[in-house]
Amino acid sequence: AQKITQTQPGMFVQEKEAVTLDCTYDTSDPSYGLFWYKQPSSGEMIFLIYQGSYDQQNATEGRYSLNFQKARKSANLVISASQLGDSAMYFCAMREGGSSASKIIFGSGTRLSIRP
Amino acid sequence: DVKVTQSSRYLVKRTGEKVFLECVQDMDHENMFWYRQDPGLGLRLIYFSYDVKMKEKGDIPEGYSVSREKKERFSLILESASTNQTSMYLCASSTLGAMNTEAFFGQGTRLTVV
Repeated sequence: AQKITQTQPGMFVQEKEAVTLDCTYDTSDPSYGLFWYKQPSSGEMIFLIYQGSYDQQNATEGRYSLNFQKARKSANLVISASQLGDSAMYFCAMREGGSSASKIIFGSGTRLSIRP
Repeated sequence: DVKVTQSSRYLVKRTGEKVFLECVQDMDHENMFWYRQDPGLGLRLIYFSYDVKMKEKGDIPEGYSVSREKKERFSLILESASTNQTSMYLCASSTLGAMNTEAFFGQGTRLTVV
């Protein structure tokens, strides 16, 4: 069964520092996709970045990058030059099965707090 | 602008009541999902649907059922609400396309069962 593990319940980081949020996953399917979402205190879910299992390069979107280590089954989110507005819950998610009709499962999340 | 709308932001229901949570999307998406979010547990999938009248169980379907009679609407039903179903419920939708199609979320319904 597919599974997502986020081992950091909470993190504190100084403003302007880089931060890495950990995510490991478990699946037996060779075709899968990994997502990161941000949930600010307002509650909305904001899609940040995507990595496919067959993608050769790590995904990047502005200040967000994904450190994808397939052999270790890890997909860590890296936020460069953190800002106060980055304070939020962050969720790692996975879709498997090579079809977008398949379910998307989430991890337990990491609460990131940025100190000024 | 894409939109997923949940019928209520806050709901208070009594134990034993039948509860309906409604979700509507205006993006013509094939996939729709219901999750519950609890502190420390993240988002857990209750049910999802990939087409009208089609549904599949997620990880925690017990005590819930769903209905999808129209493509744009996905309803979550608590047949007999219990206090342990007090939670934040999130609806999401996504298109049936490439694997990199993200899910779009509603604003959530905070349900309290007393």
